[in-house]
Amino acid sequence: TQLLEQSPQFLSIQEGENLTVYCNSSSVFSSLQWYRQEPGEGPVLLVTVVTGGEVKKLKRLTFQFGDARKDSSLHITAAQPGDTGLYLCAGVEDDMRFGAGTRLTVKP
Amino acid sequence: SQTIHQWPATLVQPVGSPLSLECTVEGTSNPNLYWYRQAAGRGLQLLFYSVGIGQISSEVPQNLSASRPQDRQFILSSKKLLLSDSGFYLCAWSAFSAGRTDTQYFGPGTRLTVL
Repeated sequence: TQLLEQSPQFLSIQEGENLTVYCNSSSVFSSLQWYRQEPGEGPVLLVTVVTGGEVKKLKRLTFQFGDARKDSSLHITAAQPGDTGLYLCAGVEDDMRFGAGTRLTVKP
Repeated sequence: SQTIHQWPATLVQPVGSPLSLECTVEGTSNPNLYWYRQAAGRGLQLLFYSVGIGQISSEVPQNLSASRPQDRQFILSSKKLLLSDSGFYLCAWSAFSAGRTDTQYFGPGTRLTVL
């Protein structure tokens, strides 16, 4: 059973600041996904990373998959209040398992 | 395009009462279907998944059950709710696969409060 640990659990920052959140495991994944969940709604897929060392960018969000495919990071540049939400990572191997998430609050 | 619906959106039920949450998917055939529970401030706990009509796999022993009477309908039930059943229940679908490896698309969720 894969165990995904996300850190930090909570993060509160001011608008305009940069931040990085992490998703770590001792297991190797064939791919890893990041979702964002806003309060009272279901998670929405942001990105899927597949190749070790892969970097994907979505506007101000940069996702990186570790070389060994055991970990991933999400970096947000110049955070905005609209980035507020729960960020979940999900590792895929024989099945898909979710981490507990990082709850991000961006204050205006 | 595919859409996924859940109802009700919110539900307040007394301890010991029955439960029925419904999830339907449109725009796809033979999807994998999932029920998750999310406790306040916590991650997703997979409760049940289904790869076809009448095929249900349970991840966690509990007083909940799931059924799939139609290809795109997934129902979560309980005969007697417990206080610990409170939470946010999410239904999700993915393209059919024997495993659970494809991208999952989530419904809007049902907020259940058991009093």
